[in-house]
Amino acid sequence: AQTVTQSQPEMSVQEAETVTLSCTYDTSESDYYLFWYKQPPSRQMILVIRQEAYKQQNATENRFSVNFQKAAKSFSLKISDSQLGDAAMYFCAYRSEEETSGSRLTFGEGTQLTVNP
Amino acid sequence: DAGVIQSPRHEVTEMGQEVTLRCKPISGHDYLFWYRQTMMRGLELLIYFNNNVPIDDSGMPEDRFSAKMPNASFSTLKIQPSEPRDSAVYFCASTSRDRVYTGELFFGEGSRLTVL
Repeated sequence: AQTVTQSQPEMSVQEAETVTLSCTYDTSESDYYLFWYKQPPSRQMILVIRQEAYKQQNATENRFSVNFQKAAKSFSLKISDSQLGDAAMYFCAYRSEEETSGSRLTFGEGTQLTVNP
Repeated sequence: DAGVIQSPRHEVTEMGQEVTLRCKPISGHDYLFWYRQTMMRGLELLIYFNNNVPIDDSGMPEDRFSAKMPNASFSTLKIQPSEPRDSAVYFCASTSRDRVYTGELFFGEGSRLTVL
């Protein structure tokens, strides 16, 4: 079974600065997807960024980018120019490419990000 | 466009009572998921449906939990009888056929259940 680990329960950053959230995962598969989801105080989970394991290039979405290290099974999220609205719980998630796993996402424990003005 | 709509947003009940949580997925989405979030266990998939048919219910904790999807626009998660350890936030999520394989889910705002 796959596992996803986020070793930072809480992180804080000053507004306009950069912060990196860590995620590691364990799998024996070669094809899979990785995600970062954001859960603001409203509780609604929102997809931030997605990475396909077969792609070597790191995904980027505006101020959000990832550092995907497949051999190390590491998938960190970098938030540049942090804004107050970035304050939220961030979840790393894994999805197997194997058909038998269906659409199940395995989530990490989450990292609570605080943005200080 | 309306997102995934869940009700109630908050529910407080007493042990032994029946609880019904409701979800309206995004129109046109073929897949519907029920997740549970607790401090101890994080986010767990309880069950998911494809075209109103339950596909994987291996995450349903026990027989006290049941889920139905009578049509494409409505699903329920029922707990009977409820217990204090069922206290959690229950999320419904939906997605379309072309997004399911990339894992992009659209979540509702969750239903916070407290069982006293």
